Amino acid sequence: NAGVTQTPKFRVLKTGQSMTLLCAQDMNHEYMYWYRQDPGMGLRLIHYSVGEGTTAKGEVPDGYNVSRLKKQNFLLGLESAAPSQTSVYFCASTEDRGRVYTEAFFGQGTRLTVV
Amino acid sequence: KQEVTQIPAALSVPEGENLVLNCSFTDSAIYNLQWFRQDPGKGLTSLLLIQSSQREQTSGRLNASLDKSSGRSTLYIAASQPGDSATYLCAVKNNAGNMLTFGGGTRLMVKP
Repeated sequence: NAGVTQTPKFRVLKTGQSMTLLCAQDMNHEYMYWYRQDPGMGLRLIHYSVGEGTTAKGEVPDGYNVSRLKKQNFLLGLESAAPSQTSVYFCASTEDRGRVYTEAFFGQGTRLTVV
Repeated sequence: KQEVTQIPAALSVPEGENLVLNCSFTDSAIYNLQWFRQDPGKGLTSLLLIQSSQREQTSGRLNASLDKSSGRSTLYIAASQPGDSATYLCAVKNNAGNMLTFGGGTRLMVKP
């Protein structure tokens, strides 16, 4: 049981390039999230999804797009990378069982550097 | 807007000490509170989850309490070990919206 898997683990981009981060979970969770973690800023929510085919904005959505075409996958896209998007990105998933949310599981992170 | 604060930001203790990490939140309308551990360069590992109807949860040497009315949670670590050195994060799941709100973390170092 792999839990939450993020691909890739590391990436260096040049300013203006695009890329997609993939998050896959095998726990059949409805809710999936993308966070970024920066020194002194903690973890901030970028976008999230409450089910297949749905997406919503979090705290810091600008410059990112997401898609949830399959329940198990949540993709985070950067159309034109900027140095301000240098960060560590984490994907998480959780489940709502009759308004009792289960614990959130996190991936191992993607360290992205934009030069 | 929910705000989560963790004090202290950093803590250094000798091995064997019992210690308490604090987490406070401004909006008591939460579904649950979760404590995580993060090792340098790694992801977050869930330690304990407390539902809003619960007062505490225990796992091994860890005990987490929740006082929803006062907006506080504590993580108690008994007989600390060097392997406990990590950053500890608390996060609350709000009634409104679908996000987890994180505190800034407490960086713990346990010296042999």
